[in-house]
Amino acid sequence: KQEVTQIPAALSVPEGENLVLNCSFTDSAIYNLQWFRQDPGKGLTSLLLIQSSQREQTSGRLNASLDKSSGRSTLYIAASQPGDSATYLCAVSGATNKLIFGTGTLLAVQP
Amino acid sequence: EAQVTQNPRYLITVTGKKLTVTCSQNMNHEYMSWYRQDPGLGLRQIYYSMNVEVTDKGDVPEGYKVSRKEKRNFPLILESPSPNQTSLYFCASSPSWTGMNIQYFGAGTRLSVL
Repeated sequence: KQEVTQIPAALSVPEGENLVLNCSFTDSAIYNLQWFRQDPGKGLTSLLLIQSSQREQTSGRLNASLDKSSGRSTLYIAASQPGDSATYLCAVSGATNKLIFGTGTLLAVQP
Repeated sequence: EAQVTQNPRYLITVTGKKLTVTCSQNMNHEYMSWYRQDPGLGLRQIYYSMNVEVTDKGDVPEGYKVSRKEKRNFPLILESPSPNQTSLYFCASSPSWTGMNIQYFGAGTRLSVL
């Protein structure tokens, strides 16, 4: 059974700092891995999608890497801003397109 | 604007009173699904649909029903809600079921069953 773990559960950093969020999964037979952002009262917003054949994806200040063989992904956020404060969720997709989510990392960026 | 729309956003009801949470997408997506989010358990899939008239159970389908009569709509039905169905519900859609596409989520429906 696929299990997804995110570490740390919560993180507080000063504005401008670079940071890394971690995600690990137990079964390497995935179709893709997605990183989402969740804001209170709002839905989930997809940040980056990495296909199983890819190693990384970049969007602006965000860079996500995928190491399928070791069951790990990282989300790197450069030059963090208060507006980056949110819960970040990692999810892997298997057959039937079902997403298996981690329980998230709550990020607070202090001004 | 491309979006997934859920209604209502907030709902308080009593045990046993049938309710429907609607979900509609305007992107002509084939794949739609429902998730529930609970503290400490994360998001778990309830039901999914690969296309019109094609639905199947996810990981936590007990107590829920769905239908997919039109491509754009995928309502979640609770025939006899119970307190353990108090949760935050999300509808999602993607262009296909192949696992190659981003999934788009609605804003969520917070349900309380008393």
